[in-house]
Amino acid sequence: AQSVTQPDIHITVSEGASLELRCNYSYGATPYLFWYVQSPGQGLQLLLKYFSGDTLVQGIKGFEAEFKRSQSSFNLRKPSVHWSDAAEYFCAVDKPRGGGSQGNLIFGKGTKLSVKP
Amino acid sequence: DAGVIQSPRHEVTEMGQEVTLRCKPISGHNSLFWYRQTMMRGLELLIYFNNNVPIDDSGMPEDRFSAKMPNASFSTLKIQPSEPRDSAVYFCASSFYGDAGETQYFGPGTRLLVL
Repeated sequence: AQSVTQPDIHITVSEGASLELRCNYSYGATPYLFWYVQSPGQGLQLLLKYFSGDTLVQGIKGFEAEFKRSQSSFNLRKPSVHWSDAAEYFCAVDKPRGGGSQGNLIFGKGTKLSVKP
Repeated sequence: DAGVIQSPRHEVTEMGQEVTLRCKPISGHNSLFWYRQTMMRGLELLIYFNNNVPIDDSGMPEDRFSAKMPNASFSTLKIQPSEPRDSAVYFCASSFYGDAGETQYFGPGTRLLVL
């Protein structure tokens, strides 16, 4: 069965510092991969996604993620964190089926990011 | 463009009462998903529809939960009777299924508290 692991429950970084949030997945082939962000009391907003092609994916708000097949990872990065980035971040995997995805997103437990001034 | 719309945003009810959550997907989308988020279990898929037809309801906790999608622009999730353990945030999401790499767009959620 597919699974997603986000090993860090809570991370605190200083404003302006770099950020890397880890995500590992378990799946027999290359899945579709997503990062979502959830601000307090809000829904989930898509940051970026990987389907195929270039393994380094650019997203909104200055985020990027790199797919590493050998490590079954899809880590999220940002070179300089802003206070407004404080939120919870979710990695998700979807199982491809034929020409489209299954639509069955499996989410990790999330990583809560706090930003120190 | 309006995003996914959910109502109510907050619901407080007493155990045993019926609760109905509503969702309007993004116009043109043909897949709709209901998720539940709790501290203990994280985000869980409850059920999803393609073209108004339920495809997978294996995540629905028990018979007290039911979901319908009478047309392409409206879906409901009903809990009857409600129990305190149903307290959670319920999210609706929609997507266009058919292209490679569909993306789900989430609504703001309904925060449910069952006393």
